[in-house]
Amino acid sequence: GAVVSQHPSWVICKSGTSVKIECRSLDFQATTMFWYRQFPKQSLMLMATSNEGSKATYEQGVEKDKFLINHASLTLSTLTVTSAHPEDSSFYICSALPDLMSNQPQHFGDGTRLSIL
Amino acid sequence: AQSVTQLDSQVPVFEEAPVELRCNYSSSVSVYLFWYVQYPNQGLQLLLKYLSGSTLVKGINGFEAEFNKSQTSFHLRKPSVHISDTAEYFCAVSEKTGGFKTIFGAGTRLFVKA
Repeated sequence: GAVVSQHPSWVICKSGTSVKIECRSLDFQATTMFWYRQFPKQSLMLMATSNEGSKATYEQGVEKDKFLINHASLTLSTLTVTSAHPEDSSFYICSALPDLMSNQPQHFGDGTRLSIL
Repeated sequence: AQSVTQLDSQVPVFEEAPVELRCNYSSSVSVYLFWYVQYPNQGLQLLLKYLSGSTLVKGINGFEAEFNKSQTSFHLRKPSVHISDTAEYFCAVSEKTGGFKTIFGAGTRLFVKA
């Protein structure tokens, strides 16, 4: 079945550093990918929609300069958390949407746990 | 814009008992509906989906859900739960237009007791 790989699965870093998270669709092309954030014991909150070859669409309240999204190819989207601070610590999950005409739902990565010290 | 309401934040149930996790949604357009399961420190696993056709949808691990358009509900059921079903369950809705953006409910913690 369709697989989405997310890397790294867990990262710990110092406050002020930037962290890049990769989301790859392994056996299908995805013009659209989504980035979610999940706080402990809470639901997934959509941060942005990543479209291949164009700028990402951010949800209200998400700082686009803080969370940089690049979708340079049909199989890779990256999320960079710039100048990360402890409040950015969270579980970040990506998903990739197969061909819109296939009526297939998005496929999720296993998530990245980000801990900022 | 669509929204999803999961009516129960926690559902404790004894092993081998039936369970129903409730989900209601609102949307001004046609939608796709999903149930996902999340185990601790893991990503999401799709249990089942409703895209069109039969309103009774069967998924993995013995779960099923029924789409009720008039009540705008998509409740998840299992006739007999196992300890291993203990997890967080999320209902999600995706509008058929608007880029297939998916909105998640707050989640229901299913806790199966021996």
